[in-house]
Amino acid sequence: QLAESGGGLVQPGGSLKLSCVSSGFLLSGSVVHWVRQSSGKGLEWLGRSRSNLNNYATVYAASVRDRFIISRDDSKNTAYLEMSRLETEDTALYYCTRGNADYPFSSAMTVWGQGTTVTVSS
Amino acid sequence: VLTQPPSASGTPGERVTLSCSGRDSNVGSHSVSWYQHFPGRAPRLLIFSDDQRPSGIPDRFSASKSGASASLVISGLLSEDETFYVCSSWDGSLRSVLFGGGTMLTVL
Repeated sequence: QLAESGGGLVQPGGSLKLSCVSSGFLLSGSVVHWVRQSSGKGLEWLGRSRSNLNNYATVYAASVRDRFIISRDDSKNTAYLEMSRLETEDTALYYCTRGNADYPFSSAMTVWGQGTTVTVSS
Repeated sequence: VLTQPPSASGTPGERVTLSCSGRDSNVGSHSVSWYQHFPGRAPRLLIFSDDQRPSGIPDRFSASKSGASASLVISGLLSEDETFYVCSSWDGSLRSVLFGGGTMLTVL
């Protein structure tokens, strides 16, 4: 299972760090994706971190590339999404997910957390 | 960038096909996944690698791909199948995972 936390209310231009804790499997050996869903809209992929075997290589969606960073802490079996220069358009429910294979071109996500809500507003 | 019709419908027991249209840079070159997504809940992976079902997914769900288009077929439609279905694929040009806008399936 995956459990996200760290969401909340933040002002435009602010920063927030979301956490994703894994239970039942080692997150270090898994691909981690972050996905969000804004109210009334579809799913939007934000980025992914490959497993430790692939040096946690990251890639990001163009819309967040210069503002969001995915990091890991193996000692805590946790992945993070560090978000900076937040905009009102970043208001959404944020999910972390486990990829089904450590393959760079896979979009399959087998395990999803329940999400954490981020609201960007003044 | 992945195009899905916003809505579809069927009657119980019927077979319905949901489509997902992309381009050579995504669906045409990379595998497609399908998700079942109930509002307020986390999406569930139904199909990966174009046509493979994860363990626990009923064989009523099947999928295929031809060129830059993919399809999800739900056979023996049940009322509990009424929800959103979303496709996804890697895009080699954008170097990103793309999701379709989702199709809301109504069981009449």
